[in-house]
Amino acid sequence: KAGVTQTPRYLIKTRGQQVTLSCSPISGHRSVSWYQQTPGQGLQFLFEYFSETQRNKGNFPGRFSGRQFSNSRSEMNVSTLELGDSALYLCASSLAQEGDGYTFGSGTRLTVV
Amino acid sequence: KNEVEQSPQNLTAQEGEFITINCSYSVGISALHWLQQHPGGGIVSLFMLSSGKKKHGRLIATINIQEKHSSLHITASHPRDSAVYICAAPYYGGSQGNLIFGKGTKLSVKP
Repeated sequence: KAGVTQTPRYLIKTRGQQVTLSCSPISGHRSVSWYQQTPGQGLQFLFEYFSETQRNKGNFPGRFSGRQFSNSRSEMNVSTLELGDSALYLCASSLAQEGDGYTFGSGTRLTVV
Repeated sequence: KNEVEQSPQNLTAQEGEFITINCSYSVGISALHWLQQHPGGGIVSLFMLSSGKKKHGRLIATINIQEKHSSLHITASHPRDSAVYICAAPYYGGSQGNLIFGKGTKLSVKP
């Protein structure tokens, strides 16, 4: 079966611009979580969506937002990009039931110049 | 202070060696995850365990909930095992997506 698909794989943006990243979960998975990975901070949780509702949010500024559609696909948006937003953004999907694990996508590598 | 600590940070081994990576956590958890990240970024979920031991091929993960400690073992290591191994724990009572990650252990297996 198809895995978690993230698009685009690579992205270069300029400071001040905004960006939208997409994540298509495994069919049947209703939970999508987003993570940011940087060399300095490692992996950090951004937010989780379940059935179109944000269920939990990490410690990131309001410039980072997301949403989930009825087909469970999710998007995250970063507005007013800063150089420090350069990172690998990963999403993971899950059935969100007790004992379920995660399936991660390959990530979107965002470079802000 | 990171609530999930891994050791060692870097590990170099010869092909065939037995490898152990350790993870200690201070948060209350329901399950602990072991992840593998190859160069290029993609992450693979290796194990999720809440007690005892799990085995998959040459990989074995153990957890001691009382001591808040988990280990990942690789038997008969191979160069293709070279990757970063990351343990992650959800906040106690938190949703599944809210994981706290260790800094990772970079493993390099030489032929």
